[in-house]
Amino acid sequence: QQQVKQSPQSLIVQKGGISIINCAYENTAFDYFPWYQQFPGKGPALLIAIRPDVSEKKEGRFTISFNKSAKQFSLHIMDSQPGDSATYFCAATDQGAQKLVFGQGTRLTINP
Amino acid sequence: GAGVSQTPSNKVTEKGKYVELRCDPISGHTALYWYRQSLGQGPEFLIYFQGTGAADDSGLPNDRFFAVRPEGSVSTLKIQRTERGDSAVYLCASSPSGGLRDEQFFGPGTRLTVL
Repeated sequence: QQQVKQSPQSLIVQKGGISIINCAYENTAFDYFPWYQQFPGKGPALLIAIRPDVSEKKEGRFTISFNKSAKQFSLHIMDSQPGDSATYFCAATDQGAQKLVFGQGTRLTINP
Repeated sequence: GAGVSQTPSNKVTEKGKYVELRCDPISGHTALYWYRQSLGQGPEFLIYFQGTGAADDSGLPNDRFFAVRPEGSVSTLKIQRTERGDSAVYLCASSPSGGLRDEQFFGPGTRLTVL
């Protein structure tokens, strides 16, 4: 049962461009949506997170956009850099459970 | 300070054998989680500890999988009668209190290969 669907599976962006990764969820009880970044051989690390009572959150070059009615949220990476090349996971959780439900991941490559 | 550590980093075993994977959480974190990440997939939840007790073990796939955290710090994930389908990276995470918006800090994982 795929509760969080993520797309695309892979993405190639030129340096300086905008990277956009999309996620959709089914469980309306989800109320916390973090994004994780994972480099090869490392565990995922929290990048940015959003609550459903706001439509957008920005931290530096990273922005989450959230559409509660559509049950969708997305990560935008502005001015993408080669160092941003990694796998990105969206996730969700609800107040009744502490476990994170992850999307399938997006392998992002930033070409110099 | 030190992050979450996991040992071993790699484990190769034969089908049918028993394995133990260890997780050392960040000092003082009361919540500890185990996830399993198959190749090309996102992590999947296995079990969550609050202190010494398993608060949610709904993700354990079957009774061959068991985890303990006897003193509320280090945790061990135990897999009996391993199968080739158990091959994956096993990730451990900890958080300060297990609150909804507590950040979960992940370790580097143990790569388990069952031959």
